[in-house]
Amino acid sequence: GALVYQYPRRTICKSGTSMRMECQAVGFQATSVAWYRQSPQKTFELIALSTVNSAIKYEQNFTQEKFPISHPNLSFSSMTVLNAYLEDRGLYLCGGGQGNYEQYFGPGTRLTVL
Amino acid sequence: SQLAEENSWALSVHEGESVTVNCSYKTSITALQWYRQKSGKGPAQLILIRSNEREKRNGRLRATLDTSSQSSSLSITATRCEDTAVYFCATDASSGSWQLIFGSGTQLTVMP
Repeated sequence: GALVYQYPRRTICKSGTSMRMECQAVGFQATSVAWYRQSPQKTFELIALSTVNSAIKYEQNFTQEKFPISHPNLSFSSMTVLNAYLEDRGLYLCGGGQGNYEQYFGPGTRLTVL
Repeated sequence: SQLAEENSWALSVHEGESVTVNCSYKTSITALQWYRQKSGKGPAQLILIRSNEREKRNGRLRATLDTSSQSSSLSITATRCEDTAVYFCATDASSGSWQLIFGSGTQLTVMP
């Protein structure tokens, strides 16, 4: 079956520092990878959508300068949160898709900013 | 604004009862998906129903789609305590887009 792993599962960083999170697709080819943030009491905010052979598309309020993403192959993606502050806390979810709008989600990386 | 929205923030039922979660959306879609997210975990897809389908079943789950009213429902029969979770509907942002737009979710609590 299609599985998505994310690591670390939890991370704590000091305000102003950066942290990198990774996403691994197993059992399918992740032609597209979407990164979401789920803040406390909120639904999923799409950060960016990365599609193989296309530029990464960032949503409004999210920038490459703040959330650089790498999607080097069909099974791996990473995203870094640069200069993390309190408002960046939340559960960061990676969704891998095969180009047919079905997405398989990992368990998320929970970011706490002190 | 939300392109997809569940109509209730929270529902509670007793084990064995049936429950329905509703969702409305605002744009034309290719498909609508129902996800379930348990505490501390990522969302898991339950059912994908395409725009040319009216009903889809998966075990105790039944999803309906009404494109004329731009609404969908997810019914769970014979609920169990382990069905306790937040249920989200999600649509493609535009027809055929790989981008998903999630509703804000409905917290379902199944009590013993």
